[in-house]
Amino acid sequence: AQSVTQLGSHVSVSEGALVLLRCNYSSSVPPYLFWYVQYPNQGLQLLLKYTSAATLVKGINGFEAEFKKSETSFHLTKPSAHMSDAAEYFCAVSGGNQGGKLIFGQGTELSVKP
Amino acid sequence: NAGVTQTPKFRILKIGQSMTLQCTQDMNHNYMYWYRQDPGMGLKLIYYSVGAGITDKGEVPNGYNVSRSTTEDFPLRLELAAPSQTSVYFCASAGVRNEKLFFGSGTQLSVL
Repeated sequence: AQSVTQLGSHVSVSEGALVLLRCNYSSSVPPYLFWYVQYPNQGLQLLLKYTSAATLVKGINGFEAEFKKSETSFHLTKPSAHMSDAAEYFCAVSGGNQGGKLIFGQGTELSVKP
Repeated sequence: NAGVTQTPKFRILKIGQSMTLQCTQDMNHNYMYWYRQDPGMGLKLIYYSVGAGITDKGEVPNGYNVSRSTTEDFPLRLELAAPSQTSVYFCASAGVRNEKLFFGSGTQLSVL
């Protein structure tokens, strides 16, 4: 079985500060890991994905995430927060021969203060 | 290119009523999924399909049914609506297993 835990349901940062959103996963097969973002009243958009090609993954809007197998983590970072980054962020895992279904974490709401 | 289209966007049901949430995609994707989103709970997988004629249960299938008679369509049916089914429902599709999901804009359902 696969699962994802996101530490912190709400993170608040100041504009220009580092953004760090934490994600730990559990998987009995080599995982595919994703970060999605959801803006208010919208569906989810893919930020970035890890598919074993490289442990440091760069995504859209300046976000990146590092896959650390020893820590079973896939934390999302951005060096400098922008007001437009305020949204809800979801970490997700899939893998193996399970129909490609994504298992999502609980989500982390990011607030950015001016 | 419309992508994944869900209808309706909003619906209010009375307890015990039934309804079908429609989902269609025009990308010729084999993989389709239904999720529900509740505050603080993330997205939970209800049902999924790996191709026409094939469906399987996800994490929270009770109270729902699906069918996949064509590649394009993947409707979700609620037979006897209950207040616990008040949620936002998202349909998604993917062309390749373990790759990016394309999401619809969601259906907000209230059961009163």
